[in-house]
Amino acid sequence: RKEVEQDPGPFNVPEGATVAFNCTYSNSASQSFFWYRQDCRKEPKLLMSVYSSGNEDGRFTAQLNRASQYISLLIRDSKLSDSATYLCVVNMRDNDMRFGAGTRLTVKP
Amino acid sequence: EPEVTQTPSHQVTQMGQEVILRCVPISNHLYFYWYRQILGQKVEFLVSFYNNEISEKSEIFDDQFSVERPDGSNFTLKIRSTKLEDSAMYFCASTSLQTTDTQYFGPGTRLTVL
Repeated sequence: RKEVEQDPGPFNVPEGATVAFNCTYSNSASQSFFWYRQDCRKEPKLLMSVYSSGNEDGRFTAQLNRASQYISLLIRDSKLSDSATYLCVVNMRDNDMRFGAGTRLTVKP
Repeated sequence: EPEVTQTPSHQVTQMGQEVILRCVPISNHLYFYWYRQILGQKVEFLVSFYNNEISEKSEIFDDQFSVERPDGSNFTLKIRSTKLEDSAMYFCASTSLQTTDTQYFGPGTRLTVL
């Protein structure tokens, strides 16, 4: 099993759609979890941390299921500006961060 | 807003040459990292650095790589003898002591080895 695994997509959705990304990780001792977005040829930027209780930031909702070693990101009412690659990131230990390969999202008018 | 900076933005070198990639982390940050991303592939962790020593390194970070904080502001990654497969985007990141999970990335240096 890969350390961090994501559906590569691409996801092509119309504006206003709801889209969900999934991620699984292999190391049950992993400490913390994040979603980053990466625009083409740019650096990753933190979108949100993921907590066991689930957390929401505007149109974005992240959830963590430690028992299933599964993380999700839901984007509601998607905008053109949401088009990017979404990276699932897992802190394995002491800030050894492992990135998934990313899920590409394209939001179309 | 403070940001991580990296120089140069693009470095072209011949195979076998040494390169030094430079980063200036956010000024009050104490943890520093290097990552690489080969074109079309995932971001890969190379090394983390704290208190003037390496705290973690990946299997990629072999004897050809070294890191240094030569002064109070710069954080460098040296590749001793570059190979074609070292061609990638190299990202530096830093975190503060208070929020060690929140990594701020620099814009990256694109390294091309010919």
